[in-house]
Formats: sequence, structure tokens, C-alpha cells
Amino acid sequence: DTEVTQTPKHLVMGMTNKKSLKCEQHMGHRAMYWYKQKAKKPPELMFVYSYEKLSINESVPSRFSPECPNSSLLNLHLHALQPEDSALYLCASTPVAGGPMDEQYFGPGTRLTVT
Amino acid sequence: GNSVTQMEGPVTLSEEAFLTINCTYTATGYPSLFWYVQYPGEGLQLLLKATKADDKGSNKGFEATYRKETTSFHLEKGSVQVSDSAVYFCALTQGGSEKLVFGKGTKLTVNP
Repeated sequence: DTEVTQTPKHLVMGMTNKKSLKCEQHMGHRAMYWYKQKAKKPPELMFVYSYEKLSINESVPSRFSPECPNSSLLNLHLHALQPEDSALYLCASTPVAGGPMDEQYFGPGTRLTVT
Repeated sequence: GNSVTQMEGPVTLSEEAFLTINCTYTATGYPSLFWYVQYPGEGLQLLLKATKADDKGSNKGFEATYRKETTSFHLEKGSVQVSDSAVYFCALTQGGSEKLVFGKGTKLTVNP
């Protein structure tokens, strides 16, 4: 199984809502990533988890809260988002964070719209 | 710091035309280099990679050679198809870094 799955595929939420994005992989990878991608731009790194511990937070606003409950799951909790947070949110994984030859495996993304 | 520069798009070609998308990089040491492809409405898929100088990555008719002397990793395909229409990202990573550095992406449209 070389797949990263993400749910939901699409999400529309109001600025006062609380919602969560979910990412799952069963490749035994120990590093997982959240990216934000705006239209016509490359993905921007948000968070990196290595061995279930947060290792990188790219100065992301606190309305985004990541969680890694186990080595296969990664969540992104959303609260009080702004319309400019509307984007495609991508999850990725790799065997080990910082492995020089390892590609990242990306999920299909969650298309988030904040109204 | 590390960076990747890709040719600006969009690129529009007719079916069976030759494709080149230029990619150059700036990095200390010996990065690994990747091409990712993003089809409309989807996530990124690894297209090919090369991990040391003079390596050639290839997949689905696409090729790219890691040229350390010119710090380049240009993507080529001899005969493109309509189904190759997508956005292509050149990227690098370096040992010890958890980050993947992306170029800005090049949108390719292939017309029948």
C-alpha cells in the first residue's frame, strides 16, 4: 500500500466553525507533513511531525492545530478560520524526516473553502 | 539557502511535440532532485527523481539528468500526449533537512 489518504475531499466551513482534516498512511512512514497550496502556487510547508512529535511549525497561525495521534494518522484541527485560509490542504509522508534520498508521498488533498 | 528556479509557464504544445521544462537549483552540498506532477484537482505525484550527479531519472517517457556542473535538472519528453497536461514542479531536498524546496511550477497544456 503506497497511498496517503485524506478526508474529507471537500470542506466548506464558516468562520466560527470547528472542523478537522484527516490524513492516513500505512506505509510505515515516520514523518508526516501538512502543506497549504493556493491556486497556481507550489505547496507551502505548514507542519512536520517526526516520530509523532512536532518538529517543524512554519509560524502557522494558532487557528490551525495539528495532531499526530499515532504513526499512521495526522489531523489538522481548524477553528475560527479566515476566508484567506481557503486553499488545498495536502498531507504527505516519507520514511524518515531528513532522509536525503526519500521522496515525499502526497495525498489527494482537501479542498477547503471558508465562507 | 536552497532554492529552485523553473521556467515560467504556461507552456502550450501540440500532441507529439517535444517537451523541455528547465529547472536549475542552488544548494550547498549534494541535494536530491525531484519532479512532481499535479493533474487538475489532484495532489502531487512523484514523476521521477535523481539522488546523485549524472543520475538519470525516468518514468512514463519523461527523463531528467542531474547535472552538477550546470546545477540543472531539466525535464524532457520526446512526444507529449493530451493526458500529460498538468502542472510540473521541480523540487529538491538535502540530507538532514526535513524540507522539500519547490520551484514555482510550470503549467503544461497539450492540445490534440
